Amino acid sequence: GENVEQHPSTLSVQEGDSAVIKCTYSDSASNYFPWYKQELGKRPQLIIDIRSNVGEKKDQRIAVTLNKTAKHFSLHITETQPEDSAVYFCAANVGGGADGLTFGKGTHLIIQP
Amino acid sequence: DAGITQSPRHKVTETGTPVTLRCHQTENHRYMYWYRQDPGHGLRLIHYSYGVKDTDKGEVSDGYSVSRSKTEDFLLTLESATSSQTSVYFCAISESNAAGNQPQHFGDGTRLSIL
Repeated sequence: GENVEQHPSTLSVQEGDSAVIKCTYSDSASNYFPWYKQELGKRPQLIIDIRSNVGEKKDQRIAVTLNKTAKHFSLHITETQPEDSAVYFCAANVGGGADGLTFGKGTHLIIQP
Repeated sequence: DAGITQSPRHKVTETGTPVTLRCHQTENHRYMYWYRQDPGHGLRLIHYSYGVKDTDKGEVSDGYSVSRSKTEDFLLTLESATSSQTSVYFCAISESNAAGNQPQHFGDGTRLSIL
């Protein structure tokens, strides 16, 4: 089955700096890669996603890049703000279909004032 | 917010008792999912449904069963709860179809403690 590795597990950056979180996946059939943000005690919220037919997608301060050959994708957050502090999860779809997502174990992003 | 309601939001029960969690959606989406979230493991897929009476197993399905008798409701049952099933359970829905993937949106979760 699909395996998704996520690094780092904890990331601390100064407010205003950029943050990068990286994920690798194992199943070459995966074609959908969402990113979720989860605040303490809350539900995961989708912040951005990318499909395998594009290499990059951007939404204001957030961008995601995908390298299908290397099977890795990354989340980039620029001009970080205190409200960006949360746990971020990457995911990949199982078998390239709609049969569920396999998640990475999460990155705790800490924005230092 | 996606129209997803999970109930109960919190439950404490004893080992060996049956437990049923409910996920209700108002979006008329075809796909529904149950995940569990544990420290150090992220979210893991338990079961999913791709239509009324159509369900399949996920990564961690042992000890769990599901049912979907109506489009809007997806039930997760622990037939005989064990302490290892103490977790936070999230339901998700998606308007995916056979043509491709659409985003999954999560409910607020059920915190289940089995003593």
